[in-house]
This record gives sequence, structure tokens and C-alpha cells, in this order.
Amino acid sequence: DGGITQSPKYLFRKEGQNVTLSCEQNLNHDAMYWYRQDPGQGLRLIYYSQIVNDFQKGDIAEGYSVSREKKESFPLTVTSAQKNPTAFYLCASSSSFGGYTFGSGTRLTVV
Amino acid sequence: DAKTTQPPSMDCAEGRAANLPCNHSTISGNEYVYWYRQIHSQGPQYIIHGLKNNETNEMASLIITEDRKSSTLILPHATLRDTAVYYCIVRVADFNKFYFGSGTKLNVKP
Repeated sequence: DGGITQSPKYLFRKEGQNVTLSCEQNLNHDAMYWYRQDPGQGLRLIYYSQIVNDFQKGDIAEGYSVSREKKESFPLTVTSAQKNPTAFYLCASSSSFGGYTFGSGTRLTVV
Repeated sequence: DAKTTQPPSMDCAEGRAANLPCNHSTISGNEYVYWYRQIHSQGPQYIIHGLKNNETNEMASLIITEDRKSSTLILPHATLRDTAVYYCIVRVADFNKFYFGSGTKLNVKP
């Protein structure tokens, strides 16, 4: 079954720590995306990548970093520079001009 | 920079049709309208999309006005499991980026 997998489902971070959220897809999609969702709000674009070894900042990239070394993988690192990282993080992928397929999300909490 | 406007919430009786409106008055000629829904704490799920013609699939129907400035998602027989936040999205033409607004919270009531 083709799909997109995010892990872990829940993640707890101490203040000052970097954490990395995993996103893997086996849909052979070229493009991948990371969104952040706060309670009761819509999704906001963090980073996106159209092709391997290339990525662009979205609307709220500060405090985050990404890499795209493989077509299947697009990990997101939440750095200590992100002042309010507690949120629900969603990864998505798409073919060049198709709809998005979303993962099931990672809920990050700062403790 | 969401390009769509939706009411924040709507109620619908179980078994009745749910009609969810969306305004996208600045849409360009080659930009598609997509609808997704999100059930609490899950990833959004694709429902339907269209350019200018009305579309129907097993989940819903999409009615786009002739001037393309608004659309309506129709769930013909709403069930309790259709309770979710519904997002109307315009796919930006320069690249396949989706901008999500706040969506419409649909409450289906028994």
C-alpha cells in the first residue's frame, strides 16, 4: 500500500533541545511539504521541496530546518531557536501538479 | 495568505445534505479548487477538486459558479462521521502549493 508515514506520533522535547520529525513516502512523489497546525487553526507552511537536494522556505520557516537527500524522505528538525514549538506537525507529498497526500501527523510538546 | 473565505462553522442534521460554501474571488483562470477535510488530530483527507466544471465522486459533489469566484461542496447524505473541519483551497498556479485557511467546522447532529 502506497502512503506517507510520519514518526513518532507523539514527541516530547525539553527546552533547548533540537528534535527531528521523520516523514517517509513510497508514492514516488517529487514534492514534499511540512505544515504546522496550532489548536483551532488552519495549516501553515513551514518548508517545501520540489526535488531532491532542493527546498524552499514557507511562511513560518524560522526555527526549523529540513533536508531532502532522498526522494522518499523529508525530515524536519525543530531547533532550539523555535520559541513556541508545541504544535501538530503534518507532512504531505504530491506529484508535480496533483493533490496532496498527508501523513497522520506528529504532536510535539515542549516539557 | 489564504485565497479562500469560509464560514467558521455550520450545523447539519444527520441524513440531510450538507452544503459548504467557499468564496475565492481572486482565483486565476488556471487555478484549481480543492476540498479536504480533517477529523480531529488526523491528517487532512482529500475529497474532491475542480477547475470550472461541476464534479462528483463517491464522497461529494463540487459546484463551481460560472465566474469561478465561489464554490459549494455538497455532502448528499451527511452522517455523524462527516463531522470534521472542511478546507477549501486554491492551488497556486506558480507551484503546487496549498494555502489553508481556517476552514469550516461541520457539526452533523443526530
